[in-house]
Amino acid sequence: EDQVTQSPEALRLQEGESSSLNCSYTVSGLRGLFWYRQDPGKGPEFLFTLYSAGEEKEKERLKATLTKKESFLHITAPKPEDSATYLCASTNFGNEKLTFGTGTRLTIIP
Amino acid sequence: DAGVIQSPRHEVTEMGQEVTLRCKPISGHDYLFWYRQTMMRGLELLIYFNNNVPIDDSGMPEDRFSAKMPNASFSTLKIQPSEPRDSAVYFCASRDRTEAFFGQGTRLTVV
Repeated sequence: EDQVTQSPEALRLQEGESSSLNCSYTVSGLRGLFWYRQDPGKGPEFLFTLYSAGEEKEKERLKATLTKKESFLHITAPKPEDSATYLCASTNFGNEKLTFGTGTRLTIIP
Repeated sequence: DAGVIQSPRHEVTEMGQEVTLRCKPISGHDYLFWYRQTMMRGLELLIYFNNNVPIDDSGMPEDRFSAKMPNASFSTLKIQPSEPRDSAVYFCASRDRTEAFFGQGTRLTVV
């Protein structure tokens, strides 16, 4: 069974303090690795999809990378508005469903 | 497009009552997913449809849960009878070829 594990569970950073969130996956036949952002009381919002090891994607202060075993979401010089829960999910070639990790709750302190 | 639309946003019901959650996917998306989110278990897939046909319902917890997709623009998730342990946020998501887009969710409280 596919598994996605995220760490840390929670992370508090000062505004401007860069860091990385980790997503380890055990998936037979990875088709895609997804990152979502979820704000309180809202549904997950799509950020990135990565398909192969070595791939990188960027959006504003966020950059997602992928290796054969894990993915990282790098946050550069974060701002308070980046505070949210970040979710990682995978799909495999045998099934269309997204298997989610439990998320990292990120808090950026002004 | 207004995105995935779910209703109601909040539902409070008594144990034993029937609950129906509704979802309107994004037009043109051929996959529809129902997820449940709790603090303990995170986001769990309940069921998904492809072109209105249920493909994988292995996540549906028990016979009290049922889902239908009578056409490409509407789906329902029904719980009958409801129990307090069903309290959670239920999300609907739709997808075309790549990424899935989620609705705002229905927060269900069963008392």
